Amino acid sequence: RKEVEQDPGPFNVPEGATVAFNCTYSNSASQSFFWYRQDCRKEPKLLMSVYSSGNEDGRFTAQLNRASQYISLLIRDSKLSDSATYLCVVNEGTAGNKLTFGGGTRVLVKP
Amino acid sequence: DTGVSQDPRHKITKRGQNVTFRCDPISEHNRLYWYRQTLGQGPEFLTYFQNEAQLEKSRLLSDRFSAERPKGSFSTLEIQRTEQGDSAMYLCASSPRKQGEMDTQYFGPGTRLTVL
Repeated sequence: RKEVEQDPGPFNVPEGATVAFNCTYSNSASQSFFWYRQDCRKEPKLLMSVYSSGNEDGRFTAQLNRASQYISLLIRDSKLSDSATYLCVVNEGTAGNKLTFGGGTRVLVKP
Repeated sequence: DTGVSQDPRHKITKRGQNVTFRCDPISEHNRLYWYRQTLGQGPEFLTYFQNEAQLEKSRLLSDRFSAERPKGSFSTLEIQRTEQGDSAMYLCASSPRKQGEMDTQYFGPGTRLTVL
């Protein structure tokens, strides 16, 4: 079983619509959680950290459910520029703070 | 540009050759990480440094791989006797000293390696 699992998609989303997707993680001791965005052939870029109480950043909302060990990302009013791969990332709290990435969820926003 | 930089951006080599990549982290970031990403997959951790000390290595890092960070600033990743399976994007990331921000990692543009 992968440590961080995501639906690879693609999620085909009409412009202006809302899209949401989850990821699950296996290590219950994981300490911090992130969503990174990756455009084709580019490096991952931090989209947002995910806090226990949930957090929002503009059109993006992230939720953490520790009991069920999943993280979600919701994108409202999708823009064409939101087309990307969204990587779910977990810091398991090891001394090195290494990150464990999911395989990514691809989102395609279409006019 | 004060972000993480990597050099070269692309490298094509023949099987059996040695290659070396360089990473310059964001200034004053004390932690530096190397990851590898293959097509359709998320990045996988290879190794990390705190200052000049290499503190953790993944089992993915075979004996052909070696990484250094001699002065606690830039780092190099060398692959000896390259194999076709080494073809991937090699990503470097760094994280800052500040408490509370320590686990936020910022990635460089990567070095794309193609082994023929």
